[in-house]
Amino acid sequence: AQSVSQHNHHVILSEAASLELGCNYSYGGTVNLFWYVQYPGQHLQLLLKYFSGDPLVKGIKGFEAEFIKSKFSFNLRKPSVQWSDTAEYFCAVNAGSGYSTLTFGKGTMLLVSP
Amino acid sequence: EAQVTQNPRYLITVTGKKLTVTCSQNMNHEYMSWYRQDPGLGLRQIYYSMNVEVTDKGDVPEGYKVSRKEKRNFPLILESPSPNQTSLYFCASTHGTNTEAFFGQGTRLTVV
Repeated sequence: AQSVSQHNHHVILSEAASLELGCNYSYGGTVNLFWYVQYPGQHLQLLLKYFSGDPLVKGIKGFEAEFIKSKFSFNLRKPSVQWSDTAEYFCAVNAGSGYSTLTFGKGTMLLVSP
Repeated sequence: EAQVTQNPRYLITVTGKKLTVTCSQNMNHEYMSWYRQDPGLGLRQIYYSMNVEVTDKGDVPEGYKVSRKEKRNFPLILESPSPNQTSLYFCASTHGTNTEAFFGQGTRLTVV
């Protein structure tokens, strides 16, 4: 079974700071990788996804993530955060063939101070 | 508009009183799932369904039931709720294997 580990539970940044949230997964086969964002009081929304091809994936709102297969990692980055990026971020993985359940990390709460 | 709709959004109930949380999607997705979200634990899958009349347990199925009589609906049933089922619940649907999940708005359940 797959598992996902997110390195930080809480991150506090000032506006304009750069962001990198770590995500590592454990699964021996092909995987699909996702980052979801949950703004306060809202449901999960997809930020970006990786299925195959270019390991550098660009998502909405200036976010990007890089899939490094050798490190089983899919870290999320943003060059300059804004106050509106305050949210909880979840990394998720499922197996890349057939149907498999989506496994989530425990989430990272990002607080951006103005 | 493509969406996953859950009802109710908020529910306070007493221990042992059966309840149902409804979930409906209008995207003709085959796959539907229920998750619970608890602080520090992320989202954990309760049950999932790969199609009508096909359901299976997720990681934390104890105390829950589901049914999938129609493709669009996937209700979550708590026959005898207990306080440890106080949580935020999300329903999600997926079209295929290589696509992302779409989530409902969530149902915040409190069992007293």
